[in-house]
Amino acid sequence: AQSVAQPEDQVNVAEGNPLTVKCTYSVSGNPYLFWYVQYPNRGLQFLLKYITGDNLVKGSYGFEAEFNKSQTSFHLKKPSALVSDSALYFCAVRDMSGGYNKLIFGAGTRLAVHP
Amino acid sequence: GAGVSQSPRYKVAKRGQDVALRCDPISGHVSLFWYQQALGQGPEFLTYFQNEAQLDKSGLPSDRFFAERPEGSVSTLKIQRTQQEDSAVYLCASSSRGPFGDTQYFGPGTRLTVL
Repeated sequence: AQSVAQPEDQVNVAEGNPLTVKCTYSVSGNPYLFWYVQYPNRGLQFLLKYITGDNLVKGSYGFEAEFNKSQTSFHLKKPSALVSDSALYFCAVRDMSGGYNKLIFGAGTRLAVHP
Repeated sequence: GAGVSQSPRYKVAKRGQDVALRCDPISGHVSLFWYQQALGQGPEFLTYFQNEAQLDKSGLPSDRFFAERPEGSVSTLKIQRTQQEDSAVYLCASSSRGPFGDTQYFGPGTRLTVL
C-alpha cells in the first residue's frame, strides 16, 4: 500500500534562514509526489509535484523539493524563509490502484518562521 | 479564473440531522474528489467522480455518506443522521484529465461541527 510519512510535527526556523520540511514515501512502482500548503481556514494550495525527470523540482513561492529515490524521500526546501511561509505543509503520493490519481497525504508539518 | 468553491463554509448540525455540502469544481474539470480532514490530520480520500460517474467510493466511512454529481459538474456530499465523529473539514478537489499525475486543486473546505 502507498504511504507517506512526515516525521516532524513542527519545524521552527528564523526568518532568512533556509528551511527543510521532510517527507518519506513508500510506493509500489514509480512515485508521483506532491506538496501542498494549508493556511488557517483555507483549503490546500498546490506547491509543486514530481512526476519524472529532474530530481530537483521548483514550485510556487520560491519552494523546491528534492526527489531522492534511494532514500525514498521528497523533502521540501526554501533557501530563505519568510514569516509569511508559516503554515501547515502536506506531502502526498498518488495512489493509482484505482486507475486514477487519488492522493494519500501525510499527517502534515507545521512550519513556524520567527522574525 | 475561478477556483474550486464550496458551500457552506461552516455548518453546525445537531446529532441526527442530515446535511448537504456543495462543491463547484473548476469549469471543465473532469475529475472530482472528496476528502475528509479530521482535526490535526491530513486529508483522507472519500470518493471520486469522473464526469457524472462515481468510480470509487471506497473511502466513505459508512452508508450514511452519499455523494452525487448528476450532470458532471457540481457535486453534493450528503451525510444522513450525523454523528459527532463526522465533525471534520470536508474538502473538494478537481483536476483536468491528463496522462500523468494531474494536479488536484482544492476548495476552501466546509467545516462541519456536529453537536
